[in-house]
Amino acid sequence: NAGVTQTPKFRVLKTGQSMTLLCAQDMNHEYMYWYRQDPGMGLRLIHYSVGEGTTAKGEVPDGYNVSRLKKQNFLLGLESAAPSQTSVYFCASSYSRNSGGRTDTQYFGPGTRLTVL
Amino acid sequence: DAKTTQPNSMESNEEEPVHLPCNHSTISGTDYIHWYRQLPSQGPEYVIHGLTSNVNNRMASLAIAEDRKSSTLILHRATLRDAAVYYCIPGREGSGAGSYQLTFGKGTKLSVIP
Repeated sequence: NAGVTQTPKFRVLKTGQSMTLLCAQDMNHEYMYWYRQDPGMGLRLIHYSVGEGTTAKGEVPDGYNVSRLKKQNFLLGLESAAPSQTSVYFCASSYSRNSGGRTDTQYFGPGTRLTVL
Repeated sequence: DAKTTQPNSMESNEEEPVHLPCNHSTISGTDYIHWYRQLPSQGPEYVIHGLTSNVNNRMASLAIAEDRKSSTLILHRATLRDAAVYYCIPGREGSGAGSYQLTFGKGTKLSVIP
């Protein structure tokens, strides 16, 4: 199992550009999450999804959109990037109906380091 | 949400036990206590969780105070690979809004001295 993978690993954008971060998981998890981590800080939840076709806002959703068209993928979009969105972005997933597990035991990807100039 | 208090940093000698404390005096009766850790330049990884009883797994032990207002993560023999930021997080399983969202604080940065 690859677990949770994220694409790309690094990206540099100019202010106003758009991009999409891709998260994929092969654990058949129902729930998926996008977090951001700023230097010296803990992670903050941006958006999450409790199932295919459903998404919800987290703590810091402004400036981001998400989509979960397939159960295994969770996309994070930045429509018009701003320097304040310079951060490391982590995707996570949890809970499988088949094999169980807790919803609050989350498995994280390696992160995407985004710089907005 | 329950608030947690952890030391900003701790040091340990390699191959010695480490006790990482966490205060969560406002925790609710249904909140589990989770510990995650984040190695340098990596995503967080789950370490252990518990509700009332002490818990052991291959990575660590979790000692929970009888009043549940504090807990201690125990690494029995610290290795250089255990150098990481350790997060103590109250969590509540379920399907209601917010019941599966982990709130990360700043955690405790553990340094392991060879």
